[in-house]
Amino acid sequence: DQQVKQNSPSLSVQEGRISILNCDYTNSMFDYFLWYKKYPAEGPTFLISISSIKDKNEDGRFTVFLNKSAKHLSLHIVPSQPGDSAVYFCAASAYYEAAGNKLTFGGGTRVLVKP
Amino acid sequence: KAGVTQTPRYLIKTRGQQVTLSCSPISGHRSVSWYQQTPGQGLQFLFEYFSETQRNKGNFPGRFSGRQFSNSRSEMNVSTLELGDSALYLCASSLGEPNEQFFGPGTRLTVL
Repeated sequence: DQQVKQNSPSLSVQEGRISILNCDYTNSMFDYFLWYKKYPAEGPTFLISISSIKDKNEDGRFTVFLNKSAKHLSLHIVPSQPGDSAVYFCAASAYYEAAGNKLTFGGGTRVLVKP
Repeated sequence: KAGVTQTPRYLIKTRGQQVTLSCSPISGHRSVSWYQQTPGQGLQFLFEYFSETQRNKGNFPGRFSGRQFSNSRSEMNVSTLELGDSALYLCASSLGEPNEQFFGPGTRLTVL
């Protein structure tokens, strides 16, 4: 049962335009969501996160939107740059003290930003 | 502040052997989690340690085990290696509350 899904395996966008990455989840207990960027043979790099009490969080060129009723979140990258070309993972967490900090990841979206 | 470090970065083993991977978290982080990344299964949670106690465990066989030391450094061990254990093993550290986990560069394990 895949609790976190990224339905677009790849995305191609022109430099300077907006990249929109989508993520859907099924577990209503998830209360914290994160986006990571990953290059091959490296560990994921944290980009931005959002708590379930918010519906939007911005950090520079990155904005994450959360729609709890639809169980959907998205990452907007504006403007897209060639260095943004990587695989992007969304991850979700249902934290409670006994169970700790387990992240459930989506399958990833490969982004290619064309100059 | 130094990031999460993992050793070794690359490892080649044969079936039936065992392996130990090491992870040093960011200073002050008490939670260490381990993940396995494979092309077929993606990124999957193995287990999390917090203050030397395993707090959560993923759906992996008992051949996968770990521990955490008093300085928060963690090791994971895989016994009786199988070909399917070939993967990138990632360690992540965090303060322990619901917040960001920061990943190390990973250990690439190849089982022949």
